[in-house]
Amino acid sequence: EVQLVQSGAEVKKSGESLKISCKGSGYSFTNYWIAWVRQMPGKGLEWMGIIYPGDSNTRYSPSFQGQVTLSADRSISTAYLHWNSLKASDTALYYCARQMSRDGYNPFDYWGQGTLVTVSS
Amino acid sequence: DIQMTQSPSTLSASVGDRVTITCRASQSISSWLAWYQQGAGKAPKLLIYKASTLESGVPSRFSGSGSGTEFTLTISSLQPDDFATYYCQHYTSFFWTFGQGTKVEIK
Repeated sequence: EVQLVQSGAEVKKSGESLKISCKGSGYSFTNYWIAWVRQMPGKGLEWMGIIYPGDSNTRYSPSFQGQVTLSADRSISTAYLHWNSLKASDTALYYCARQMSRDGYNPFDYWGQGTLVTVSS
Repeated sequence: DIQMTQSPSTLSASVGDRVTITCRASQSISSWLAWYQQGAGKAPKLLIYKASTLESGVPSRFSGSGSGTEFTLTISSLQPDDFATYYCQHYTSFFWTFGQGTKVEIK
């Protein structure tokens, strides 16, 4: 069974750094792209970026380029989303999701349960 | 950038109703469109991809149609589990964008 399990909720202050995780199981983690999606309180879904754990090839949405960093550790089948300096506006629910297939145009077929990040000023 | 616009934003319906949600793209996207369901407090779930292909395990009361700039998601007979928010998503080479969502609520 394919599963993406994310790390727990975080409460941080503005200016602090944070790294949240997404652990894949039940499939070949290195062969599928992993995306990150933001959902601000009461709002819709926004694609942030995507990483290929096989070689750490990474692409970012222009809206999030320079604001976050994606990484992956294929030895433990885990992808990460990292902030160097959080802002109150980073308060949101963050999902990781697997792209359906490595090649071609594909939606996201499996999702993590989400990680709530709360940033206070 | 391509923009995706859903209508309506909110839809009130009863169990057993036929429900249709529309998604429009700001330019042609061929059939590169998916639909997701997000229940309250839950992660999104893929329902349909390539505009009309039903994801494995998704009930057949869900169907998708359209190509180019106009797409629809139809639920043929609304069930209690279907009260949720639905998102369309355009996907292409390293670009994914969602519609703003349509909330289906109990009438």
